[in-house]
This record gives sequence, structure tokens and C-alpha cells, in this order.
Amino acid sequence: GQNIDQPTEMTATEGAIVQINCTYQTSGFNGLFWYQQHAGEAPTFLSYNVLDGLEEKGRFSSFLSRSKGYSYLLLKELQMKDSASYLCAVRGRGSTLGRLYFGRGTQLTVWP
Amino acid sequence: DGGITQSPKYLFRKEGQNVTLSCEQNLNHDAMYWYRQDPGQGLRLIYYSQIVNDFQKGDIAEGYSVSREKKESFPLTVTSAQKNPTAFYLCASSADRGDQPQHFGDGTRLSIL
Repeated sequence: GQNIDQPTEMTATEGAIVQINCTYQTSGFNGLFWYQQHAGEAPTFLSYNVLDGLEEKGRFSSFLSRSKGYSYLLLKELQMKDSASYLCAVRGRGSTLGRLYFGRGTQLTVWP
Repeated sequence: DGGITQSPKYLFRKEGQNVTLSCEQNLNHDAMYWYRQDPGQGLRLIYYSQIVNDFQKGDIAEGYSVSREKKESFPLTVTSAQKNPTAFYLCASSADRGDQPQHFGDGTRLSIL
């Protein structure tokens, strides 16, 4: 089976740094994606990791450890507009290649 | 402008009625997907298609049907067999490469009258 866990809610203040963790147990692994979703809107792609290590994209970074089944999304210099749900998703292998398995999402609230 | 178009944005279904949600993409993507999202929940896969005239069931296919007669189009029918259809439905597409993300439409919110 597939199991992807992330915290349900997190809060932080404007200008701070927040780390959103994601752990996964899947029958195959072919990459991990992070998406941002504002309430009532479509998810938008943030980052992709397939090899171990850190990928940096402006204020957002994503880290992957395949041996630990672990990833995190790091958001720096938080802004009010970063208040959203952050979804972790793992891509399958073999017969399930192409589909993503999503976690339930982490609702981040940024306070002024 | 390339993208994915879902229609309608809001849809109401009467008891015992089938309804069809439209999804069209002009990104030339081979793969298309339908997800259901309930409040406070992640995305659950209903059906997906990696090529024209072929599709696979996802995790919650019961009460739903799809077709993929054209590369650009992947309509979802919510049948009367789906007893709890109220949800936010998202369509997505992706290129046929493992490192390419799925791109999402703006969603259709379905409610029961």
C-alpha cells in the first residue's frame, strides 16, 4: 500500500522560516512533488525531488532522503500570501508509473 | 495560452441523476487524471488515462465513469450510483515523463440538490 504522512496544520509569523515535513511508505518511488493550494483553487507545482539532497527555488527549498522515506519543504521569509495548504505527492513506479499518491496536505497559516 | 479548462465551475445534481464534468487541455499532454477533494482531505484519484482510448481505475472509481476518445478531452461522469458526490473535482494532465509535474484545472464544485 501507499502511506504519505504530513502534519495537518502549522502556524508561523510573517518573515519567519517554516519547515513542513512529509514521510512516505510506498511500494515504489519515482520522485516526490510539492504543491501549494490556496482555498478553493487548483494546486500549483512548487518543487520536484528524485535524488537525495536539497533543491532550492527562491524562497522555497525542498529536501529528499530516499533511504529515510522523508522530505521537507522549507519556506523562508514568510509572507501572508503563503497561507495555503501544502501537498506532498509521491510518483509510483512500474504499473503505477504516472500516477501520484497525495498526502492529506498541511494547512499553513501565516500571522502578521 | 496553454492550459486545462474545467467546466462548469459549479454544478448541482438532483437525486438519481447522472452529471458529466468537462476537462479539456491544449498542452499536448498524453496523460490526464481526475481527482476528488473533500474538505480537509488530500486528493484522491478517481481515474487516469495515459493514452487515448485507454484508462485505469484509481482508488475511488466506484460510481464514476470516464472516456478518452481524444487526446485533449477526458470527461468524468458522476453516476447515480455515487451516493456521496458532493466534493471539489480536479482534473490534471502531464507530459509522459517522470519528472514532469501534473498541471491542474480550476476545478468543479459539485453539490446535491
